[in-house]
Amino acid sequence: DIQMTQSPSSLSASVGDRVTITCRASQGIRSDLAWYQQKPGKAPKRLIYSTSNLQSGVPSRFSGSGSGTEFTLTISSLQPEDFATYYCLQHNSFPWTFGQGTKVDIK
Amino acid sequence: EVQLVQSGGGLVQPGGSLRLSCVASGYTFGDLYMDWVRQAPGKGLEWLGLIRKKRDGYTAEYAASVKGRFIMSRDDSENSLYLQMHSLKPEDTAVYYCARDSRGSPDDYWGQGTLVTVS
Repeated sequence: DIQMTQSPSSLSASVGDRVTITCRASQGIRSDLAWYQQKPGKAPKRLIYSTSNLQSGVPSRFSGSGSGTEFTLTISSLQPEDFATYYCLQHNSFPWTFGQGTKVDIK
Repeated sequence: EVQLVQSGGGLVQPGGSLRLSCVASGYTFGDLYMDWVRQAPGKGLEWLGLIRKKRDGYTAEYAASVKGRFIMSRDDSENSLYLQMHSLKPEDTAVYYCARDSRGSPDDYWGQGTLVTVS
């Protein structure tokens, strides 16, 4: 199985900060990576698909990049509604696997 | 408006069985794959499996943790997705989500989640 190592596991940031979350795959997954945001008690919401494609309706402050084994989610200017937990998901080979999550909270 | 409405969760004893349902509306259900994802209390997301559409044989893929115990199925005439769970273990306790799959991964449409407690 492909292991997805997400870092950091948590971070504290202020409104307006630039935030970067990284996912590293244990083997190459081409560009088969998605990013999700989850708020407490809610279903996840897809932010990015295929590494760098912004899901419809998602603010442009979110962006994704990478290929192969190293991927990043960047929030260019953190907004109050962005405090949540973020997960990456590799969908290159079965079983698909999520990263362990990054909790972003208020500094 | 796309909606996925789940039902069927609850309390079950270890070794028991349970069937979860997910009814879709607002799009052509049969055109897309569907996924199941779960989240144990206070833990991260775990992908459980995917079921393909009719054109791809309704075949399914499973996570190792549920393979042989869980069975995914779908009834396109009823716009419904099912997860039949057998031999349930305490570690299967989680909120279970169905999700629509598009562009290669679960997209923006998920069910509301249903809690399964094995105890």
